[in-house]
Amino acid sequence: NAGVTQTPKFQVLKTGQSMTLQCAQDMNHEYMSWYRQDPGMGLRLIHYSVGAGITDQGEVPNGYNVSRSTTEDFPLRLLSAAPSQTSVYFCASSSQQGITGELFFGEGSRLTVL
Amino acid sequence: ELKVEQNPLFLSMQEGKNYTIYCNYSTTSDRLYWYRQDPGKSLESLFVLLSNGAVKQEGRLMASLDTKARLSTLHITAAVHDLSATYFCAVEEAWGYGNKLVFGAGTILRVKS
Repeated sequence: NAGVTQTPKFQVLKTGQSMTLQCAQDMNHEYMSWYRQDPGMGLRLIHYSVGAGITDQGEVPNGYNVSRSTTEDFPLRLLSAAPSQTSVYFCASSSQQGITGELFFGEGSRLTVL
Repeated sequence: ELKVEQNPLFLSMQEGKNYTIYCNYSTTSDRLYWYRQDPGKSLESLFVLLSNGAVKQEGRLMASLDTKARLSTLHITAAVHDLSATYFCAVEEAWGYGNKLVFGAGTILRVKS
C-alpha cells in the first residue's frame, strides 16, 4: 500500500517560474491537504479539499492554486514562484470527510526558489 | 485565532533519563495529535487524543490531554537514542468546510548515549 505519494522530492526554480507539485493517495480518503514547513514555524495549511470538486483556502494560500478532479489526486500549483516560497511541502490525507482526523503525510517535496 | 506553543523547543537529554514535552493551546479544542518527524523525513502519527483526560502510551512515550487547562504532555521514560527526532503537537480547530490542524513549532529531541 503506497499511502500518500508526492512528486517531485526536490525542485529548484527561478523566480517567476511556475510548477506543479503532484500528490496522490490510494486510501480512498476524502480529505486532502497541502502544508508547508518552515524552520521554527511548524506546518501551515495552504489549501485543502473535502472531496472531489471541493477545495478551500488554508492559512497561507497566496501564490498557490489547487484543484481536485478525482478522489486520488490533489496537485498544488505555484503560479509565479517567489523566494518566499522556498520551503518543504507536505501533502496529507484523512479518511474523515470535513473533519481532519488523523492525517497521513507524504514524504515531502523540497522546493528552492532562486 | 488558535495558537499552539510547545516547550521546550530543543531538548538534549541523556539515555535513561525521563522528561516531558509540553503543548499549550489558546482556544477550546477536544482533539490533539502528536507527530514524530525524523530528519529529512515525513511526519508519522504517534497519538490521537480525542477527549479530556485521554491518555495514550506506546513504548517509552506517553501522551495525555487536559482540555480544561488546554494542555497536552508527551512524557518520555528512560530515553533511548532511537527517540531522537522532532516532535510536533497539533490541535484541531474549525475551519471552512471542516477542521484543520494547527501545529506547534516542534521540539527537537536529541538523546545522547
